[in-house]
Amino acid sequence: AQSVTQPDIHITVSEGASLELRCNYSYGATPYLFWYVQSPGQGLQLLLKYFSGDTLVQGIKGFEAEFKRSQSSFNLRKPSVHWSDAAEYFCAVGAGGSQGNLIFGKGTKLSVKP
Amino acid sequence: EPEVTQTPSHQVTQMGQEVILRCVPISNHLYFYWYRQILGQKVEFLVSFYNNEISEKSEIFDDQFSVERPDGSNFTLKIRSTKLEDSAMYFCASSLLQGRNTEAFFGQGTRLTVV
Repeated sequence: AQSVTQPDIHITVSEGASLELRCNYSYGATPYLFWYVQSPGQGLQLLLKYFSGDTLVQGIKGFEAEFKRSQSSFNLRKPSVHWSDAAEYFCAVGAGGSQGNLIFGKGTKLSVKP
Repeated sequence: EPEVTQTPSHQVTQMGQEVILRCVPISNHLYFYWYRQILGQKVEFLVSFYNNEISEKSEIFDDQFSVERPDGSNFTLKIRSTKLEDSAMYFCASSLLQGRNTEAFFGQGTRLTVV
């Protein structure tokens, strides 16, 4: 069955440190992959997406993600975290049919220490 | 920048009552969606809507749920007789196109608490 796994429920990093949020997917066809962020009181905002081509994709707010087919992963990275990055991050795979257009992971909550 | 807006941001209702969650999708979008997130769990798809009818729905979207686009701008989710387990964050989304490679734009969510 199609699914998305985010193994880390909560991560804390220091401001200025690098960040990697893990995402693994299970999908039978070519995956279309997304990372969304939800800041407190805000909706889900698209950070970046991968459809095809270069496996390293750049997004907004200095984030990037790398698609690794062999590992079924689409990890999100940022070289230097800012306090405003504290939020919940959701990985999703484009689906269809009765699963809806997106299958989400459970999310990873990011806390940033000063 | 156009955005999806949802009202109210938080709703508390008694078990057995009907609730209507409201959404205003982005104006030129054609596809509309409802998702929900029970606390601590995944964001789950409920229903998609196109051309004034449901195009897809999940197993969660049973007879107690209904959706409507009553006018040219609003998109509503009605829960007929709420249960405690309906407590969740409900997200509305819209997209211009449909398909696995389509970006959906989400609202800020309505937190529904059933007591």
